[in-house]
Amino acid sequence: GQQLNQSPQSMFIQEGEDVSMNCTSSSIFNTWLWYKQDPGEGPVLLIALYKAGELTSNGRLTAQFGITRKDSFLNISASIPSDVGIYFCAGHNSGGSNYKLTFGKGTLLTVNP
Amino acid sequence: EAQVTQNPRYLITVTGKKLTVTCSQNMNHEYMSWYRQDPGLGLRQIYYSMNVEVTDKGDVPEGYKVSRKEKRNFPLILESPSPNQTSLYFCASSLGVSLYNEQFFGPGTRLTVL
Repeated sequence: GQQLNQSPQSMFIQEGEDVSMNCTSSSIFNTWLWYKQDPGEGPVLLIALYKAGELTSNGRLTAQFGITRKDSFLNISASIPSDVGIYFCAGHNSGGSNYKLTFGKGTLLTVNP
Repeated sequence: EAQVTQNPRYLITVTGKKLTVTCSQNMNHEYMSWYRQDPGLGLRQIYYSMNVEVTDKGDVPEGYKVSRKEKRNFPLILESPSPNQTSLYFCASSLGVSLYNEQFFGPGTRLTVL
């Protein structure tokens, strides 16, 4: 099946630093999504990308859908303590009868105040 | 408040004792799904349902059953739980399966099978 390679696995940064994480896939996706999971909670959608090359921002977050449709990155600028959590990329292909998301293994972000 | 709810949030049980994890959504969503999350493996889909009485297997369905008798509910059933089903389980729902339908996740159920 499709697999997503997400890196880095974990990051430990100082408050105010910028963060970058990325995902690569062995096959193409029509949609790339970035989720954040806080401790004890389910994943929450941060950004959705629908077109190759698309660059989308949501506050301090910026994500891009790679031209090849096999990769995506997420940047967080000026990190703050509440950015702590696990960030997941997910790919989705429309069509067919199953809205299945293929998830990366996550990036654990720790922000030191 | 629009949400996906799961019960119980935490469960410790023993091998072979049947259990059910409930999932309910109040958004009139047609699509519902179950995932399990394991360290180093991310989230993997167990079962999904396109609508009432329509269910199908995901990537890791072995040892699980589901039912969709009502639109709002999608229980996950473990007939004979085993230790390898110890995991964090998430229910999710979306309006449909199109490109732009966001999938909303419940808060998770942490299951331990001894």
